[in-house]
This record gives sequence, C-alpha cells and structure tokens, in this order.
Amino acid sequence: EAGVAQSPRYKIIEKRQSVAFWCNPISGHATLYWYQQILGQGPKLLIQFQNNGVVDDSQLPKDRFSAERLKGVDSTLKIQPAKLEDSAVYLCASSLGWFQSYEQYFGPGTRLTVT
Amino acid sequence: EDQVTQSPEALRLQEGESSSLNCSYTVSGLRGLFWYRQDPGKGPEFLFTLYSAGEEKEKERLKATLTKKESFLHITAPKPEDSATYLCAVLNATIYNQGGKLIFGQGTELSVKP
Repeated sequence: EAGVAQSPRYKIIEKRQSVAFWCNPISGHATLYWYQQILGQGPKLLIQFQNNGVVDDSQLPKDRFSAERLKGVDSTLKIQPAKLEDSAVYLCASSLGWFQSYEQYFGPGTRLTVT
Repeated sequence: EDQVTQSPEALRLQEGESSSLNCSYTVSGLRGLFWYRQDPGKGPEFLFTLYSAGEEKEKERLKATLTKKESFLHITAPKPEDSATYLCAVLNATIYNQGGKLIFGQGTELSVKP
C-alpha cells in the first residue's frame, strides 16, 4: 500500500515570497491533515479536511495560509506572503476518517526555510 | 486547555539498558492516546493507540501503558536502531465526533549507543 506522498521535500524562499505544498493521501482515506512542525516541537495541526470539506482550521493563520482539497483526494497548502517564522517542516497526514479509525499516517514532510 | 507534556526531553542509553519515557496529559475527555516514532528527516510513524486506563500494547522491544493521567513507553533492551524521537498525542473528546484532533507533546529524543 502506497503511503502519503508530499512534494517538494525541501524549499528555500525569501520572506514575502509565496510557496505551495502538495499532498496525496493514502487511497481511500477520507480525512486529511496538514501540520506544522517547528524544530524541537511536536506537530501542530493547521487544518483538517473530511473529504473536501474543512473540519477544523482554527490554528491556520488565515491572513497568509490557505489550503484546499479538490475532489476529496489531493490537497495543496499555500503560504503567501511567507515570514521568517514560517520556517518549519510541513507534514501531511491521512486517516480512514470518522468512526472508522483515527490512526493518522504521515508523509515525509516538506522542509521550508524562509530567509 | 488540553496539554501534553513528555519527559525527559532527551534520553541517552547504552545498548541493552532498559528505560521508560513518560507522557502526561490533561484533556477534557480522552478518547485515545497515540505513540509515534519519528526519525530525522521523516514523518512520524504510527506505533500504538491506547484507549482506556489499564490498557497495554507491545511491539518488539516497546511496550506502551496508559493510566488516567499519563502513559509510559517502556523500552526493553534497546538497540541503536531504536534511536529516534518518540511522540505522544492525545485525541480530544470535545471534537471527537468531528473527526479526531490529535494534540502532540514535544517529543523525547532517544539515543542508544552501542
């Protein structure tokens, strides 16, 4: 079974530039999550989708971050404009979804460096 | 506010030296506690889910236990390949029926020397 795919793996941008990350979840997983992991910390949830609807985006900085999950499969997370404090690893995870399994499976992440 | 605290932040062991990692939590209504392993440059890898106090699960040299306030990850006779960061997360009951939000601790970095 293929795991969660993410691209790119690494990205270096200057502050105020924009960047986009892509995620393809495990086939059949209805729930998709984007996390931000700052060095030395645990992952922090940014946004959660159930199929193509947003379930929780309470910790998403909506003035600069946006995310979408078209057709309930792939997802894209965008940052515009980026700030220095956005330097982190952005992790995508998926799970079977509500009332089935809450076990989340993570992709390898995208390491973002903002200079 | 829901909170997860892991200790110690870092742990260095000699190969074969057994020890335990701690995960303390305060959550409005626990619906599950998860342990993950994270290797450098990789995403977290699922290890265990515990649902109720008294529950235990094992996988190779790892054993996870759960009480009403904390969870332990016991490592028996560790090997260098067990070196990684171990993350604990709780599933919040307040939004349980809305999809299951995990709240992570900061992790324990384990190093096992040969």
